[in-house]
Amino acid sequence: KAGVTQTPRYLIKTRGQQVTLSCSPISGHRSVSWYQQTPGQGLQFLFEYFSETQRNKGNFPGRFSGRQFSNSRSEMNVSTLELGDSALYLCASSPGGGALSGNTIYFGEGSWLTVV
Amino acid sequence: AQRVTQPEKLLSVFKGAPVELKCNYSYSGSPELFWYVQYSRQRLQLLLRHISRESIKGFTADLNKGETSFHLKKPFAQEEDSAMYYCALSNQAGTALIFGKGTTLSVSS
Repeated sequence: KAGVTQTPRYLIKTRGQQVTLSCSPISGHRSVSWYQQTPGQGLQFLFEYFSETQRNKGNFPGRFSGRQFSNSRSEMNVSTLELGDSALYLCASSPGGGALSGNTIYFGEGSWLTVV
Repeated sequence: AQRVTQPEKLLSVFKGAPVELKCNYSYSGSPELFWYVQYSRQRLQLLLRHISRESIKGFTADLNKGETSFHLKKPFAQEEDSAMYYCALSNQAGTALIFGKGTTLSVSS
């Protein structure tokens, strides 16, 4: 079956703009999580959604937000972009029980965001 | 605080040499630990998790609660093992992974 799909793959935005990234999880997966990957900070958890509800949120400013739709697809939005938001944004999906239940978390290829 | 530390940014070995990628963690309770791998131009993928106690591609990892470590080992490195390796810890709710900064493994002939 198809893996986690993220769109767009690459984008360039100007400081102050906003951006929306999209994620389609593996069919049947109800949990979607987002991570930011940068050379300096590595992989950092942004938030996780399950059945349209945010279950967990990382330590990021309120400019970072997300949502999940009834079909489990998810979007994340970053408003008032800053140069430091340039990163690879990874989406991941799992059946829903989370890592503790033995579920494997599958990652997408990511969306490369450059803020200029 | 929950934290994962991978002390080496880069580990270079020759083909056939043993490999040990270090991972230490800080966690109160019973941790769930994982190793993820990212090959060049590929997505991040699960290599192994401690609860399954399995060997994947010749790699093993043992959880040592006394030393709070989960080092990844392989007795004989292959060139195709060259990749970025991340150690990760699940949060208590199982809804998030806490990653180390990663170690680049370079295997040369």
